[in-house]
Amino acid sequence: GQQVMQIPQYQHVQEGEDFTTYCNSSTTLSNIQWYKQRPGGHPVFLIQLVKSGEVKKQKRLTFQFGEAKKNSSLHITATQTTDVGTYFCARNAGNMLTFGGGTRLMVKP
Amino acid sequence: SAVISQKPSRDICQRGTSLTIQCQVDSQVTMMFWYRQQPGQSLTLIATANQGSEATYESGFVIDKFPISRPNLTFSTLTVSNMSPEDSSIYLCSVAVQGSVNTIYFGEGSWLTVV
Repeated sequence: GQQVMQIPQYQHVQEGEDFTTYCNSSTTLSNIQWYKQRPGGHPVFLIQLVKSGEVKKQKRLTFQFGEAKKNSSLHITATQTTDVGTYFCARNAGNMLTFGGGTRLMVKP
Repeated sequence: SAVISQKPSRDICQRGTSLTIQCQVDSQVTMMFWYRQQPGQSLTLIATANQGSEATYESGFVIDKFPISRPNLTFSTLTVSNMSPEDSSIYLCSVAVQGSVNTIYFGEGSWLTVV
């Protein structure tokens, strides 16, 4: 089936540093969604991107959808300890999600 | 939005037994789904729970192992049958709420450990 690849698997950053996770697909995506899962928690919807080249911001989080709609990124500016968790991208097809492998973010205070 | 309650939240199960997980939503929803998250891994869709008909299973998942019920628009159950240690996972119920963005909400998950 259509897979969504995500890198890196893990990222350690010092508090205040920036963080980026990347999501790639071999086929064109109709949309990409991003989720955050805190340690011990469940995934929480962050955002959906649908347009080629789309950029959306939520406070310190910036989400991008590539021009070819085959890749996406999530960038966090000046990380805080509250940003700790695993960030997943996911393709939504008929409300059924195909998740990337996730990037686990660890922030050192 | 949707509030989803899952039971049990956590359990330790004996090999060879079966366990039923319940998912209750605070509003009527058309689509309900069950996902599995193995330790340290991403989420994988098990099946779509259809109200009034059999669930639709994804490749690699079968009804005999993961029977699902959906008696109404607010409730579903997933049974993990004849468990083995490989079934130790978090099982998550999710629903789709229609809107300008079809937002997916997840329950808090049921953490199963099979010993």
